[in-house]
Amino acid sequence: QKEVEQNSGPLSVPEGAIASLNCTYSDRGSQSFFWYRQYSGKSPELIMSIYSNGDKEDGRFTAQLNKASQYVSLLIRDSQPSDSATYLCAVRERGSTLGRLYFGRGTQLTVWP
Amino acid sequence: EAGVTQSPTHLIKTRGQQATLRCSPISGHTSVYWYQQALGLGLQFLLWYDEGEERNRGNFPPRFSGRQFPNYSSELNVNALELEDSALYLCASSALTTGDYYEPQHFGDGTRLSIL
Repeated sequence: QKEVEQNSGPLSVPEGAIASLNCTYSDRGSQSFFWYRQYSGKSPELIMSIYSNGDKEDGRFTAQLNKASQYVSLLIRDSQPSDSATYLCAVRERGSTLGRLYFGRGTQLTVWP
Repeated sequence: EAGVTQSPTHLIKTRGQQATLRCSPISGHTSVYWYQQALGLGLQFLLWYDEGEERNRGNFPPRFSGRQFPNYSSELNVNALELEDSALYLCASSALTTGDYYEPQHFGDGTRLSIL
């Protein structure tokens, strides 16, 4: 059973702070990693994808991947109240016949003014 | 560019009935995925269709089935509905993959299925 674990929330940070969201995965064969943001009652929205070890930055978001440690994280700099949502970590295996994503349970983030 | 569209937005059924949910992928995407998100639970993978074929199936009973049409749109059918089938059903699509990297999946707004 392949598992994706996210740090338990909820996570609460003040506006302007850095929010750090963590995710570990069990399958070493995993090759593609994604972070989705889901507002309450809405569908998941892709915010970051990362495929190689290291950091990937996109605006206020930075994804970090360490395949040796089977760890992926998302940093949100200068957090805004509009960042308040549930963040889902998703992992995809290598192999053309295995298209499914494995999702973590999500970490609920609240950014207070 | 239009995103993934799903219909209906809401669907109310009673136990034992059958439900049909529909999904149109982003133009140019050939893969369609179905997920179930029950209240308080994570996203659970249901089915993956690509080029009209079922490629992978999650750990759900056979009464969950679907198909993909030549225009790449898809239907999810749930027979003999049970109370625990009440959930948000999400459809996602992605483009063909190249090499070892997979194009990300993009989600529609979902269909909320309520079983009375």
